[in-house]
Amino acid sequence: DTGVSQDPRHKITKRGQNVTFRCDPISEHNRLYWYRQTLGQGPEFLTYFQNEAQLEKSRLLSDRFSAERPKGSFSTLEIQRTEQGDSAMYLCASSLGRGYTEAFFGQGTRLTVV
Amino acid sequence: ILNVEQSPQSLHVQEGDSTNFTCSFPSSNFYALHWYRWETAKSPEALFVMTLNGDEKKKGRISATLNTKEGYSYLYIKGSQPEDSATYLCALRGGGSNYKLTFGKGTLLTVNP
Repeated sequence: DTGVSQDPRHKITKRGQNVTFRCDPISEHNRLYWYRQTLGQGPEFLTYFQNEAQLEKSRLLSDRFSAERPKGSFSTLEIQRTEQGDSAMYLCASSLGRGYTEAFFGQGTRLTVV
Repeated sequence: ILNVEQSPQSLHVQEGDSTNFTCSFPSSNFYALHWYRWETAKSPEALFVMTLNGDEKKKGRISATLNTKEGYSYLYIKGSQPEDSATYLCALRGGGSNYKLTFGKGTLLTVNP
């Protein structure tokens, strides 16, 4: 499969625990994005990488959230001290680094904080 | 903050009906408009990337138009089929070096056989 893959697909965690999600983008894509979708809303931008550099972070990304993309390949999104409000679908997307190219999305990680 | 609006929020049609949805966005600071189809338990699937005023794009029974001067895009589905049931999202990419997409809330289409 050559698409964007995310792991795990589902995660249930207790409030206060830390969780980490992984995204493997399409191999030749140098841009990688994280979005979050909550019920009744469209996906909301969280952060963006070009290669290994994190170029933008949304104000939605509190200091409990951190994302990395070592060596410009896969990316991880970690949430520390999870809260019930963190329950959402976390989507990863990747795209080529030029022009109007579309972003390709993974299937997402559904996080439930209980 | 870019505000992208989609209407209607949800739509139920019968198999064979044609339908259309609207995406409205601020006409200033426009770079590109993306349409996605998102079926349950699958990845959002890119349908179109539209950049020029007056653009019309087509993929099978689905087509889209773009008016950047007045800030709207229409998505049309001709002869809806049950497999067209999905959430249709539009997303705006603004100008500058910011590559992020600002999404609308989507239109949930249900096609009844």
